[in-house]
Amino acid sequence: RKEVEQDPGPFNVPEGATVAFNCTYSNSASQSFFWYRQDCRKEPKLLMSVYSSGNEDGRFTAQLNRASQYISLLIRDSKLSDSATYLCVVNMAGWGDTGRRALTFGSGTRLQVQP
Amino acid sequence: DTGVSQDPRHKITKRGQNVTFRCDPISEHNRLYWYRQTLGQGPEFLTYFQNEAQLEKSRLLSDRFSAERPKGSFSTLEIQRTEQGDSAMYLCASSLAERLAGGSDTQYFGPGTRLTVL
Repeated sequence: RKEVEQDPGPFNVPEGATVAFNCTYSNSASQSFFWYRQDCRKEPKLLMSVYSSGNEDGRFTAQLNRASQYISLLIRDSKLSDSATYLCVVNMAGWGDTGRRALTFGSGTRLQVQP
Repeated sequence: DTGVSQDPRHKITKRGQNVTFRCDPISEHNRLYWYRQTLGQGPEFLTYFQNEAQLEKSRLLSDRFSAERPKGSFSTLEIQRTEQGDSAMYLCASSLAERLAGGSDTQYFGPGTRLTVL
């Protein structure tokens, strides 16, 4: 079983649609959670961190459910420029840790927003 | 450009040859990471440095792989006796560990070095 699992998609949605991605992680010791965005043949870029209380950044909302080990990303009012692969990422590093800094990535969910 | 830079951007080599990649982190970032990404997969962690100390190594980092960060600034990743299975994108990332901060610091990725082993 992969440590971080995502539906690979692709999700094909029209402009303006709302789309949700889900992710599950297997290691209950995971401490930090993120969504990264990766455009084709480019490097991953941090989209947002994910907190237990949920957080929002413009059209993007991320949720974390530690009990279910589940992370979600909601994109409202999709734009053509949102087309990319969205990577769910977890990290075991906690306060004061110098080790366990590795980010563990899911395989990504591909989103294609169509005009 | 003050982001993470990597050199070369592309490398084609024959099986059995040695290759070396370089990563220059964001200035003043004390942590540096190497990841490998194959088509259709997310990046996989290889190793991590804090300053010049190599603090974490993945099982993926076989004895043909070696990474260094001699002065705590740029880093090199060498692959000896390359195999076709080494073909991948090699990504470098850096972050700033702030002394009083906890949890995970944000990792910023470079553009990667795409390796093709023939």
